[in-house]
Amino acid sequence: AQSVTQLDSHVSVSEGTPVLLRCNYSSSYSPSLFWYVQHPNKGLQLLLKYTSAATLVKGINGFEAEFKKSETSFHLTKPSAHMSDAAEYFCVVTANRDDKIIFGKGTRLHILP
Amino acid sequence: DGGITQSPKYLFRKEGQNVTLSCEQNLNHDAMYWYRQDPGQGLRLIYYSQIVNDFQKGDIAEGYSVSREKKESFPLTVTSAQKNPTAFYLCASGSYEQYFGPGTRLTVT
Repeated sequence: AQSVTQLDSHVSVSEGTPVLLRCNYSSSYSPSLFWYVQHPNKGLQLLLKYTSAATLVKGINGFEAEFKKSETSFHLTKPSAHMSDAAEYFCVVTANRDDKIIFGKGTRLHILP
Repeated sequence: DGGITQSPKYLFRKEGQNVTLSCEQNLNHDAMYWYRQDPGQGLRLIYYSQIVNDFQKGDIAEGYSVSREKKESFPLTVTSAQKNPTAFYLCASGSYEQYFGPGTRLTVT
């Protein structure tokens, strides 16, 4: 069985400061993990993905995430927040190509001027 | 220009009417999905299809129906049996890395 938990429903940071969005997962098999971003009234866009290669994954718009098996975590980070980063972020887990895709409940990121 | 499209972007209906949401993809994906999104609840799976002429219920299929007559198309019908149809509906394709359409916001009054 798989599950994913996004530990914060809302995160607020000031522009120019680091961003940390937390995600923990549970999976019976080696997981594949994804982060998606959704701007208001838009579809979801893939930010980055982990598929058992390098544990530090770089994505678009300066975001990156580190897969930590011992902590069952896949936290999303960015060194310096920009106003355009304000959006909702979803952590997603799947075990293999034919398995169910599990979405976290999302974290809304607010950027303070 | 490859991608997945949904139409219309906004849809308004009266209670008791069925309504069909369109989803088309030209990514040559076998798998397609419909999700419903409500504030604070993330995405919930309504129906999915792994191949043409076959589909399975997701977690919240009651009050919805789908068809998959063509690989490119996966329309969703919201029936009058759906108790709370007002929501944002997202279509996706791809069985591993998912590609999402822009969504349809349905309002039923």
